[in-house]
Amino acid sequence: QKEVEQDPGPLSVPEGAIVSLNCTYSNSAFQYFMWYRQYSRKGPELLMYTYSSGNKEDGRFTAQVDKSSKYISLFIRDSQPSDSATYLCAMSGLTGGGNKLTFGTGTQLKVEL
Amino acid sequence: DGGITQSPKYLFRKEGQNVTLSCEQNLNHDAMYWYRQDPGQGLRLIYYSQIVNDFQKGDIAEGYSVSREKKESFPLTVTSAQKNPTAFYLCASSTGDRGTQYFGPGTRLLVL
Repeated sequence: QKEVEQDPGPLSVPEGAIVSLNCTYSNSAFQYFMWYRQYSRKGPELLMYTYSSGNKEDGRFTAQVDKSSKYISLFIRDSQPSDSATYLCAMSGLTGGGNKLTFGTGTQLKVEL
Repeated sequence: DGGITQSPKYLFRKEGQNVTLSCEQNLNHDAMYWYRQDPGQGLRLIYYSQIVNDFQKGDIAEGYSVSREKKESFPLTVTSAQKNPTAFYLCASSTGDRGTQYFGPGTRLLVL
């Protein structure tokens, strides 16, 4: 079993829809949670960063962390075609040195006109 | 502009050849990382360095080598021992405080 599980998709939604992207994890030592957006053939771009449990909002994006359920989510409101990309969750904690991140495999999102 | 640069954008390797991928950052970050990305497998850590003149193996270090002689630079060599080198290679850096990593644009390596 992988430490971080993420549905690979692809997920296709109409423009304006609310998108929910999710990851589950098994290691309770994870405390730092990130979401990256990766356009095709580009490097990942940091989208959201959350420490421990709770919600964080930035514009149309909301990140949620539920440590008791080992579950994190990214919500995108009023989705746009420009949101079409692969979304990677990542997390780190006290499990290893060097600030290593453990990544999900990514969810491919397509927002259609 | 502060950021991470990787070169070249595309690289072709012949059988038995060693090739070196460049990664430079001007963010004044202490830690740097190399990942390999294959379709459906996410990012896998090859090597990382927390400080100049020191580096550690990641999960898939076999067939790769690195050096960290300067804070700004962390080149990756793909040796002939790496039998399946075709992939997208990503370099990242961070402040090393268990926070976020910032990525470069990537190098796509193809085998001739």
